[in-house]
Amino acid sequence: GAGVSQSPRYKVAKRGQDVALRCDPISGHVSLFWYQQALGQGPEFLTYFQNEAQLDKSGLPSDRFFAERPEGSVSTLKIQRTQQEDSAVYLCASSGRDSTYEQYFGPGTRLTVT
Amino acid sequence: AQSVTQPDIHITVSEGASLELRCNYSYGATPYLFWYVQSPGQGLQLLLKYFSGDTLVQGIKGFEAEFKRSQSSFNLRKPSVHWSDAAEYFCAVGFIQGAQKLVFGQGTRLTINP
Repeated sequence: GAGVSQSPRYKVAKRGQDVALRCDPISGHVSLFWYQQALGQGPEFLTYFQNEAQLDKSGLPSDRFFAERPEGSVSTLKIQRTQQEDSAVYLCASSGRDSTYEQYFGPGTRLTVT
Repeated sequence: AQSVTQPDIHITVSEGASLELRCNYSYGATPYLFWYVQSPGQGLQLLLKYFSGDTLVQGIKGFEAEFKRSQSSFNLRKPSVHWSDAAEYFCAVGFIQGAQKLVFGQGTRLTINP
């Protein structure tokens, strides 16, 4: 079956621009996560959805970061007024009802802010 | 505080040699434990997981890992590495109380010498 897909795979933004990153989870997975991976580091948690409810957004680094999952399937991570420190790979993961912690990751979106 | 440590940033082994990658965590109880592999430009692929029961778990691609409660460790092993195993390896931990997120170590980059 299809895995987690993300688009775009690469995004270059000028400082101050807004960007939107999309995630399509595995069909039927109720939980969806966003992680940020800086160069040479492990992924760090940003936010978590169960269906359409955003249950944890404690990892979002500033109020410029916003995520939504309005119909409980596709999710969008939006970054407003991008800054150079936002440059990273943004990973989306989904998990099924039986085990939230067993997460399956998409290929990521590499964001470069110039 | 809950944390995950991968002490080795970079490991080089010869093809055909055995491999052990270390992972330690700090937590007051037994967490859920995972190893992921990331090839350049790719997302994270789940190698294996430990939830409970037998402390030696088998994964894909010939990998195994052993949970040692007394040492708070979950080391990844492979008896004979192949050139295709060259990648970045991440240990991840789900701390059961609280958030549903995974906490990742900083990763170990594996290089294979021919």
